[in-house]
Amino acid sequence: SAVISQKPSRDICQRGTSLTIQCQVDSQVTMMFWYRQQPGQSLTLIATANQGSEATYESGFVIDKFPISRPNLTFSTLTVSNMSPEDSSIYLCSVEGREEFYNEQFFGPGTRLTVL
Amino acid sequence: KNEVEQSPQNLTAQEGEFITINCSYSVGISALHWLQQHPGGGIVSLFMLSSGKKKHGRLIATINIQEKHSSLHITASHPRDSAVYICAVRSSGGGADGLTFGKGTHLIIQP
Repeated sequence: SAVISQKPSRDICQRGTSLTIQCQVDSQVTMMFWYRQQPGQSLTLIATANQGSEATYESGFVIDKFPISRPNLTFSTLTVSNMSPEDSSIYLCSVEGREEFYNEQFFGPGTRLTVL
Repeated sequence: KNEVEQSPQNLTAQEGEFITINCSYSVGISALHWLQQHPGGGIVSLFMLSSGKKKHGRLIATINIQEKHSSLHITASHPRDSAVYICAVRSSGGGADGLTFGKGTHLIIQP
């Protein structure tokens, strides 16, 4: 299986600031995804992080608000820009396994963000 | 876009009871996942199914592709099974799409 770590695990931020969340995987993976889980809700896909090219965003999410980097096959960052209280959520990194774990989905521990 | 429905939304049962959680989806899929989320927020993948049935310990997952339906069963339930159980699907047709999630079933097992 893939082991995923995220930093920070939680943060409390002021309105109007930005936070960058890091996702590190212990093995090379093709597919990396960023999800958001708002309080009391299920997960929603923000974007697919593509290595070497721009991320693919879902409807309702834009690059200016959620810029994503994917410099290599084991690392990605998600930035939540110009935050408002509505951005308070758990943000999760997820990867799809390669080879024997093809199509398996693994999740990071999440970053709990509170915006005041 | 796939619509994923789970039932029940909330379930409270006594320790030892047999638990069934249902999931239905609207369009064809390449894979269906059952996930478990504990109160701290961490998500664990329980099963990935594309057909048939899988068993792991006291957990059993089945899928009927024709009916677009899957069930997760827990035998001899225990308070430590208390969690949110989430069904998620990847639609068929290729592409680099992430998963579409159901809203989850909040399960409480009372001792």
